[in-house]
Parts: sequence; structure tokens; C-alpha cells
Amino acid sequence: GENVEQHPSTLSVQEGDSAVIKCTYSDSASNYFPWYKQELGKRPQLIIDIRSNVGEKKDQRIAVTLNKTAKHFSLHITETQPEDSAVYFCAAGYSTLTFGKGTMLLVSP
Amino acid sequence: DGGITQSPKYLFRKEGQNVTLSCEQNLNHDAMYWYRQDPGQGLRLIYYSQIVNDFQKGDIAEGYSVSREKKESFPLTVTSAQKNPTAFYLCASRRGGLRVNEQFFGPGTRLTVL
Repeated sequence: GENVEQHPSTLSVQEGDSAVIKCTYSDSASNYFPWYKQELGKRPQLIIDIRSNVGEKKDQRIAVTLNKTAKHFSLHITETQPEDSAVYFCAAGYSTLTFGKGTMLLVSP
Repeated sequence: DGGITQSPKYLFRKEGQNVTLSCEQNLNHDAMYWYRQDPGQGLRLIYYSQIVNDFQKGDIAEGYSVSREKKESFPLTVTSAQKNPTAFYLCASRRGGLRVNEQFFGPGTRLTVL
């Protein structure tokens, strides 16, 4: 089955800095790579996703890159704000998803 | 907020008891999923259903059971065979079809075994 590794497990940045979270996956059949943000005690919410026929996708301060050859994908957040503080999960798959273990992002004012 | 509801929000159970967690969606989604979330472990798939009256085991199905008698409902039963059931349980649904698309999550049920 699919295996997804996510790094780092925690990430502390100053407000205005950029944050990068990286994931690797093992199953070359995976073709869908979403990123979810989860605030404490709440449900995960999709922030951006990318499909295997695309190498990069941007949405305002958030971008995701995908390297299918190397089987890795990354989340980039620019100009971080305190409200970006949360746990971020990457996932890979198709009809079912395998999730990484999460990255706790802390943005200090 | 996503059209998926889970009840109850908090659930307490004594050891040896079965308990059923509710998941309902009004999004007309074909596929539904149950995940378990433990601290530092991410989300792990318990069961999923792509269509009514059909479901498949996920990565950690032992000690759990499900049914899918209606498109909008996918209840999860945590049986006494589940050795460590205390966790946060999340239900999700997806539109289905050939093009892969977003899974929408419910608000979750926090189960505590006393």
C-alpha cells in the first residue's frame, strides 16, 4: 500500500517568513495530492490540492509543487501570519488517501 | 459547513461495551470514509464505502464494523474487540466518479473509554 512521510513534525517561524513542508510517497499509482489544515479540536479542511498531471499550483500565499519522478511534493506558505498556526497534513492516493503524520506550524508575531 | 454531521461530539464508554458513531451527509456524495486520529499519528483509514450496500476495510479495520444501507448514512460501530478505542474519529465523504476530488470532513466524535 501507499506510505507517506511528512517533514518536519514541527516548524516555528516568525510572522512574515516563509514556511515549507515536505512529503514523500511510495505508490507511483497515486495521482491526487491534497493538503489539509486542522486547527485544534476542529475538522481538517482542504487548503490546496494538486493532481499528477500538474507540477505546481498556487493560491494566493499558498503553493504546492509535485515531482512525480522523485515521488515528493511540498507545501509553501509565504508571508506567514499568526492565523496560519495549525497542524498541516499532506496526503496521497486516489479513491482512498494515505495521510502523513502532520506538521505543527507555529507562527510567532 | 460541508453538509456532514457526526454525533455525538463527545462519547464515553465503559470497557467491554459496543458503541455506534453516527455520520450523515446531505451532499449527495457517493463515497464515505471513517478515519481514526491519534496524537502524532495523522489520520488512519478504518473503513470506506464507494457505493450503497458496499464497503471495504481500510488499514486499521480490526475491532470496527460499518454499514451503508443508505447513501447519506455511514455509521461506525466500535466493538469490545478494539483494544485501544480512545481516539478522535472523523467521517468524510467524496463526490465519487472517475475524476479524483476532495474529501470533506465532519466535525468528529471524541471517544473516551473509561
